[in-house]
Amino acid sequence: AQTVTQSQPEMSVQEAETVTLSCTYDTSESDYYLFWYKQPPSRQMILVIRQEAYKQQNATENRFSVNFQKAAKSFSLKISDSQLGDAAMYFCAYDDYGGSQGNLIFGKGTKLSVKP
Amino acid sequence: NAGVTQTPKFRILKIGQSMTLQCTQDMNHNYMYWYRQDPGMGLKLIYYSVGAGITDKGEVPNGYNVSRSTTEDFPLRLELAAPSQTSVYFCASSYSTTGQGYTFGSGTRLTVV
Repeated sequence: AQTVTQSQPEMSVQEAETVTLSCTYDTSESDYYLFWYKQPPSRQMILVIRQEAYKQQNATENRFSVNFQKAAKSFSLKISDSQLGDAAMYFCAYDDYGGSQGNLIFGKGTKLSVKP
Repeated sequence: NAGVTQTPKFRILKIGQSMTLQCTQDMNHNYMYWYRQDPGMGLKLIYYSVGAGITDKGEVPNGYNVSRSTTEDFPLRLELAAPSQTSVYFCASSYSTTGQGYTFGSGTRLTVV
C-alpha cells in the first residue's frame, strides 16, 4: 500500500525568508500525482501545487515550488518570501493515477508558523 | 459556484445518538469522498463513491454509512455515536481519477460527549 510520510510535525520561518517542507512516499507505481494542500485556521483545504510523476520539471506556483526526486520518492515544498498568511498546516498527498478509487493518501501534516 | 457544501459546520452529539452530515456539490463531479481528520493523523478515507448508486468503503468505515442517490449529494450517516467519532469531517469531490486533486468542503467539527 502507498504511504506518505511528513517527518516534520512543526516548522517555523521568519517572514520574508524561505522554508522547505519535506515529504517522502512509498509506491510501486510509475505514474501518479503528488500534491501539497494548505489548511489555514479556517479549516478549508486549499490546493497549493500539483506534480505529475512523468514530468521531470518541478512544478512552481508563484512563491511555491517543489523539489521532486522520483528515484528517491521525495517531494518537498519550498515557500519563498514567506508571508504571515502562509501560516497553516501543510499536507502532502499522493494520487495513484488511474486507480479505481481516485483516492488521495495524505501525510500527517506539518504545522508552519511564520514569525513577523 | 458554491463548490462543495457541507452542513452543519459544528455539532455536539451525545453518545448513542445518530446524525447525518450533509454534502452537496454543484460541479457535476462523479467522484465524492468522506474523510475524517484527527489531530496529528492527517486525513483518513471513510467512504467514497464513483457515481450515483455506487459506494465503497475506505480505510476507516466502521460506525458510518453512506448513500449516493444523486450525483450532487453524498450524505454520511453516523449511527450510535461514540467518543471515538469525535473528529473533523471533510467531504470532497473530483471529476475523475486523472490527478486533478479534490475540491473540499469546509468541514464539520463533530464532538461526541
